[in-house]
Amino acid sequence: AQKITQTQPGMFVQEKEAVTLDCTYDTSDQSYGLFWYKQPSSGEMIFLIYQGSYDEQNATEGRYSLNFQKARKSANLVISASQLGDSAMYFCAIRPNQAGTALIFGKGTTLSVSS
Amino acid sequence: DAGITQSPRYKITETGRQVTLMCHQTWSHSYMFWYRQDLGHGLRLIYYSAAADITDKGEVPDGYVVSRSKTENFPLTLESATRSQTSVYFCASSEFTGDGYTFGSGTRLTVV
Repeated sequence: AQKITQTQPGMFVQEKEAVTLDCTYDTSDQSYGLFWYKQPSSGEMIFLIYQGSYDEQNATEGRYSLNFQKARKSANLVISASQLGDSAMYFCAIRPNQAGTALIFGKGTTLSVSS
Repeated sequence: DAGITQSPRYKITETGRQVTLMCHQTWSHSYMFWYRQDLGHGLRLIYYSAAADITDKGEVPDGYVVSRSKTENFPLTLESATRSQTSVYFCASSEFTGDGYTFGSGTRLTVV
């Protein structure tokens, strides 16, 4: 079974600062993918970034990067140069790379960006 | 329109009634999923489907029924709605096992 733990219910950051959202996971699978999604107040789920368990490089997508530490089973999301529009709920999720599985989500972290 | 569509967007129903939430995707993705989102719980998997006529239970399947007679549709039925099923329901799809998902806009269901 897989489990995602997001220990920060809420985070506060000022515009233009960087912020790290924590995510730790538990899985017995060797091959898996880690995902981050953003949910703004409008409610839609927006895919941000993906990291494969065998990827040697940390994933990056624009201002988003994933600090992947496999031995520690952590996959923290780093948002550089925060913007007001980054205020949202952020979910970390895991999915084994095998048929018949589904994404398992953490409980989320609410990020508030102030000017 | 291409994409994944959920209907209705909002629904109020009474305890004990049967209600069906619809999900339709236009990509012919193999995988489809239903999640519910509740404060403090994140998204929890209700049911998922790897292909037409193949469905499997997730973390919180009790009280729900799904079917998938066509690849593009994956309706979720609450056979006898209870107040504890008040939630926001998300449908999602993906083409391959390792892909991320595309989510629908969600259905906010209130059971009174």
